[in-house]
Amino acid sequence: DVKVTQSSRYLVKRTGEKVFLECVQDMDHENMFWYRQDPGLGLRLIYFSYDVKMKEKGDIPEGYSVSREKKERFSLILESASTNQTSMYLCASINRGITAITEAFFGQGTRLTVV
Amino acid sequence: AQKITQTQPGMFVQEKEAVTLDCTYDTSDPSYGLFWYKQPSSGEMIFLIYQGSYDQQNATEGRYSLNFQKARKSANLVISASQLGDSAMYFCAMRGSGGSNYKLTFGKGTLLTVNP
Repeated sequence: DVKVTQSSRYLVKRTGEKVFLECVQDMDHENMFWYRQDPGLGLRLIYFSYDVKMKEKGDIPEGYSVSREKKERFSLILESASTNQTSMYLCASINRGITAITEAFFGQGTRLTVV
Repeated sequence: AQKITQTQPGMFVQEKEAVTLDCTYDTSDPSYGLFWYKQPSSGEMIFLIYQGSYDQQNATEGRYSLNFQKARKSANLVISASQLGDSAMYFCAMRGSGGSNYKLTFGKGTLLTVNP
């Protein structure tokens, strides 16, 4: 019954490495999101995508990029990882409905540590 | 721009009592939706309740109800008859309308502790 899957639960990377976080959903949702969660700061939106190849910056896009080549997959890329990007990363997806009850589904999260 | 504000970093409630978690929002989008999510210490995000901006009645789901006051731009969560298992972080969130406006924004959260 898995709906949103993130490629890794825990990840340790070195400063300066290029890091890929993958997210796959099996619900045919149009909209997908990447957040980072830090204590006291809640979930902060990094990037989102409302269709294949379409992307929009969220509130904290600096240091990140994204890719959405297929509807079910949304990738977050850290071009050159830095220690201040150590965080929990959450992926979510939601359908396009705006009149019916809609629920965002979340992945299990990726705890990224940059050393 | 969308913004969600949760002003209560932490709340305490006695078991079996009701508790209200505050949420205010700001948006220029005429069509939007409001959510509440629960995040226990295990880290999973659990959907609780949803309210559409054009819904005439306040949403209810079991012990959860959403006190939606559109003019005040508030969407408070009311949990009735609190249980020990309700101890968790609670997030209020908002989505916009379609296309590039379909941004899903979260507040900073409220940590609820239910005391026996």
